[in-house]
Amino acid sequence: GENVEQHPSTLSVQEGDSAVIKCTYSDSASNYFPWYKQELGKRPQLIIDIRSNVGEKKDQRIAVTLNKTAKHFSLHITETQPEDSAVYFCAASNPGANNLFFGTGTRLTVIP
Amino acid sequence: GAGVSQSPRYKVAKRGQDVALRCDPISGHVSLFWYQQALGQGPEFLTYFQNEAQLDKSGLPSDRFFAERPEGSVSTLKIQRTQQEDSAVYLCASSLRDRGYGYTFGSGTRLTVV
Repeated sequence: GENVEQHPSTLSVQEGDSAVIKCTYSDSASNYFPWYKQELGKRPQLIIDIRSNVGEKKDQRIAVTLNKTAKHFSLHITETQPEDSAVYFCAASNPGANNLFFGTGTRLTVIP
Repeated sequence: GAGVSQSPRYKVAKRGQDVALRCDPISGHVSLFWYQQALGQGPEFLTYFQNEAQLDKSGLPSDRFFAERPEGSVSTLKIQRTQQEDSAVYLCASSLRDRGYGYTFGSGTRLTVV
């Protein structure tokens, strides 16, 4: 099955700086890579996703890049704000699976 | 409703007790998923329904775990003879399409087994 690894486990940045979270996956058949933001005690919320036919996708201050050859994908948050503080999860899915395989999460703290 | 609704929000069970967790998906969503999220970990897949059919239960950790969705809408996850290692947040997600695209998660049920 798929194995998704995520780094770092914790990340602290100053407000206004950029944050980068990296994930690797093991199954070359995986073709869908969403990112979820989970605030304390709340539901995971989809913030951006990318499919394997695209190398990069941007949505305002958030971008995701995908390197299929190396089997890694990254989340980039620019101009970070205190409300970006949360746990971020990457995930992967492939056509043969019914579910998402999640990373272990990154706790992002944006220091005002 | 506007989102995926789960109840109860919190459940404390004595070891050995049976529990039932409910999920109300978004109306019209075909797919329904249950995940288990241990403290400090990412969600781990338990089971998947497409309408009323349970197409994948490969993630259920033991035969004490049972899920159903008899009318293709509301789903119930039942855990029999709860044990301390069952303590976790149980998340339900629904999707308009099949498989794992475009999930909307519920807020989860935090189960604590004492």
